Amino acid sequence: EIVLTQSPGTLSLSPGERATLSCRASQSVSSGYLAWYQQKPGQAPRLLIYGISSRATGIPDRFSGSGSGTDFTLTISRLEPEDFAVYYCQQYSYSLYTFGQGTKLEIK
Amino acid sequence: QVQLVESGGGVVQPGRSLRLSCAASGFTFGSYGMHWVRQAPGKGLEWVASVWFDGSDKYYSDSVKDRFTISRDNSKNTLYLQMHSLRAEDTAIYYCAREDYYAGGYWGQGTLVTVSS
Repeated sequence: EIVLTQSPGTLSLSPGERATLSCRASQSVSSGYLAWYQQKPGQAPRLLIYGISSRATGIPDRFSGSGSGTDFTLTISRLEPEDFAVYYCQQYSYSLYTFGQGTKLEIK
Repeated sequence: QVQLVESGGGVVQPGRSLRLSCAASGFTFGSYGMHWVRQAPGKGLEWVASVWFDGSDKYYSDSVKDRFTISRDNSKNTLYLQMHSLRAEDTAIYYCAREDYYAGGYWGQGTLVTVSS
């Protein structure tokens, strides 16, 4: 099973700043099946990025994904107030899915 | 629009069984793989199980294998999760999600399962 480790655990930034979230896999993620989600309190997760760098429907272009192999990054170019939430990465390989433990993005 | 509505959650004693349902609408249900994902109170997301679009293949996390069974009825546009031998650690919100691009493209609002005596 591939283990995903997200860092940092908590990120404190101000609106307008740039956020960089990291996701590291214990082994190479096959075929780039790496996704990112946003979850706000009391809500279901929302898909932001799939296939490492493709934005899901309706996701603003301030969200971008990058990386390869075992190291992946979610970047939010200019934080809006509604972006403060918990973010999860997720991978698919060998018919199994795993999630990272999450990064909480909080207002500084 | 895509809608997924879970039901069947509640309070159940350890060792007992429960069946969750997920009613789908707004898309061709029989064309998509489906997932169950859970989230313990205050914790992160945990993938539970997946089923192919036609029900021919099913996959489970180690934590629920041999206790949970995922199934679907494409004629009823409904996904199921049969849970047996429930444990306190199974307490969580259970979400169903549609498979899109090897990820969960659409999610329901979740149903809470509490395992407690």
